[in-house]
Amino acid sequence: GAVVSQHPSWVICKSGTSVKIECRSLDFQATTMFWYRQFPKQSLMLMATSNEGSKATYEQGVEKDKFLINHASLTLSTLTVTSAHPEDSSFYICSARNGGLSEKLFFGSGTQLSVL
Amino acid sequence: AQSVSQHNHHVILSEAASLELGCNYSYGGTVNLFWYVQYPGQHLQLLLKYFSGDPLVKGIKGFEAEFIKSKFSFNLRKPSVQWSDTAEYFCAVNSPNQGGKLIFGQGTELSVKP
Repeated sequence: GAVVSQHPSWVICKSGTSVKIECRSLDFQATTMFWYRQFPKQSLMLMATSNEGSKATYEQGVEKDKFLINHASLTLSTLTVTSAHPEDSSFYICSARNGGLSEKLFFGSGTQLSVL
Repeated sequence: AQSVSQHNHHVILSEAASLELGCNYSYGGTVNLFWYVQYPGQHLQLLLKYFSGDPLVKGIKGFEAEFIKSKFSFNLRKPSVQWSDTAEYFCAVNSPNQGGKLIFGQGTELSVKP
């Protein structure tokens, strides 16, 4: 079955540094990828929708200059958390849509970010 | 390792039929449980969640789910489906003791015939 690979799975960084998270569709072309964030005791929150070759569409309240999304190819989207702060500590997960007939959604394994 | 299993990959029902989608997880500790829905062309939306308390959880749009700890299950139910319930449904689990990592089931596609 289709696989979405997300790296790293766990990252600890110092406040003020930047962290890049990669999301790859391994055996299908993903024209659309989604980035979500989940804080403890809450549900997933959509951060942005990433379309290959165009600028990401950010949800209200999500700072586009802080959460840089690049979807340069049909198999790779990256989320960079710039100048991370402790309040950015969260679980980030990507999902990719298989643009074939099934239009099915597949999830990465997620990244737990801890900012010290 | 934790895993989430949704037994039904594709369910086809007629309107007004009752729905039950299975979800089982493998983890012996404390868990938080979620059901998400994705309507065609849209992103994920939360249907309901269980953190603690009453194991019978009511969600939006008439959905409910029951947490049965002894069976490691969190099945989603709706007494009478509508055509507009056609969507893909995802069960998800995380454990507050393991950093909150969210694990999804593979999803169940529901098709409701008018």
